[in-house]
Amino acid sequence: ETGVTQTPRHLVMGMTNKKSLKCEQHLGHNAMYWYKQSAKKPLELMFVYSLEERVENNSVPSRFSPECPNSSHLFLHLHTLQPEDSALYLCASSQGIGETEAFFGQGTRLTVV
Amino acid sequence: AQKVTQAQTEISVVEKEDVTLDCVYETRDTTYYLFWYKQPPSGELVFLIRRNSFDEQNEISGRYSWNFQKSTSSFNFTITASQVVDSAVYFCALSEARGSYIPTFGRGTSLIVHP
Repeated sequence: ETGVTQTPRHLVMGMTNKKSLKCEQHLGHNAMYWYKQSAKKPLELMFVYSLEERVENNSVPSRFSPECPNSSHLFLHLHTLQPEDSALYLCASSQGIGETEAFFGQGTRLTVV
Repeated sequence: AQKVTQAQTEISVVEKEDVTLDCVYETRDTTYYLFWYKQPPSGELVFLIRRNSFDEQNEISGRYSWNFQKSTSSFNFTITASQVVDSAVYFCALSEARGSYIPTFGRGTSLIVHP
């Protein structure tokens, strides 16, 4: 079982809905990440948190709102999404940023209708 | 410009063939880290190896081997005697000081191993 758990695994939402993706890690790591993986596109870094502080926000539209209440949990709040936001959203954690390997969750497959 | 280039989009081989996945990176830092990850159909990326810029020693782990060459800025990955279970998307990644060590991933290489 992976040390990084993402829920839900699949999500279908309308463009006017509000939903949240949850990520939890039990590895004692200090850094957590959100990535977006769209078909035929490279893995896109969205947000990075280190010790619950956001250290990177990669020009992500405001309809995506991250939250890191503690070092074990990371949320991605979604509202008024577009169909092009349909993708696999991957959460990852690492002991520190970048110098050590990241551990990934299985992702949330999001479909916006 | 891409920091990490995986020029092979898709590779198809027959079981037991050897296969090499290429990774070329770009950095001006002297201290950096390189990674390989495997993404099976289940979705999660699985860490395979990390290499720091001061360690050019090649590594072998079972059927997997990695060739790090700073002279050509390459960190290639070879699977010997491939198996169907090796079918996955493989990502190379770089983390460098100029990027606050936040990993940059290549576009991935999809490996299909036919029985």
